[in-house]
Amino acid sequence: EAGVTQSPTHLIKTRGQQATLRCSPISGHTSVYWYQQALGLGLQFLLWYDEGEERNRGNFPPRFSGRQFPNYSSELNVNALELEDSALYLCASAPGANVLTFGAGSRLTVL
Amino acid sequence: QKEVEQDPGPLSVPEGAIVSLNCTYSNSAFQYFMWYRQYSRKGPELLMYTYSSGNKEDGRFTAQVDKSSKYISLFIRDSQPSDSATYLCAMGLQTGANNLFFGTGTRLTVIP
Repeated sequence: EAGVTQSPTHLIKTRGQQATLRCSPISGHTSVYWYQQALGLGLQFLLWYDEGEERNRGNFPPRFSGRQFPNYSSELNVNALELEDSALYLCASAPGANVLTFGAGSRLTVL
Repeated sequence: QKEVEQDPGPLSVPEGAIVSLNCTYSNSAFQYFMWYRQYSRKGPELLMYTYSSGNKEDGRFTAQVDKSSKYISLFIRDSQPSDSATYLCAMGLQTGANNLFFGTGTRLTVIP
């Protein structure tokens, strides 16, 4: 069974640009979660999508947004990139509450 | 005060040692407690999952939860070089994975 897949693996952008990250959940999982893992910080919850709807978002500005497609894959968009957005962005899917399976992440570097 | 506090380490131990990893937390409403292991350039993978207080054992790994002290531990017996990774504690409220709070992770190196 394929796990959670994320693309791209690495992304380099400059300040003010936009970044788009993609995630495919495990087959059968309808929920997708996005987390940010910045150096020295724990995983910070960004967004939760379920059945195509945004169910909850963490304490991040509106320039972090996303969507979930009918096939349950998801996209995270970060607009007006800032240096502090440099981090590993992790996508996870779940069949139910609390049991997350993570992808390998997309490392975003903002120069 | 952070919701979850975890010593970042790094922690280096010789092969075969017993490793103790710990987290403290401030929110007494947490009910679910987890330990994730994250190898370099990989996403975290779930190691142990505990509901409420008590101990849970899985092979060389034992998770302990002491809700009265707001303290959780992960013990690794007979540590192996393959255990070298970052260990993240996580805890959640009653409803949904979006309410998970993670520690910053402890980097462990097991020296052959």
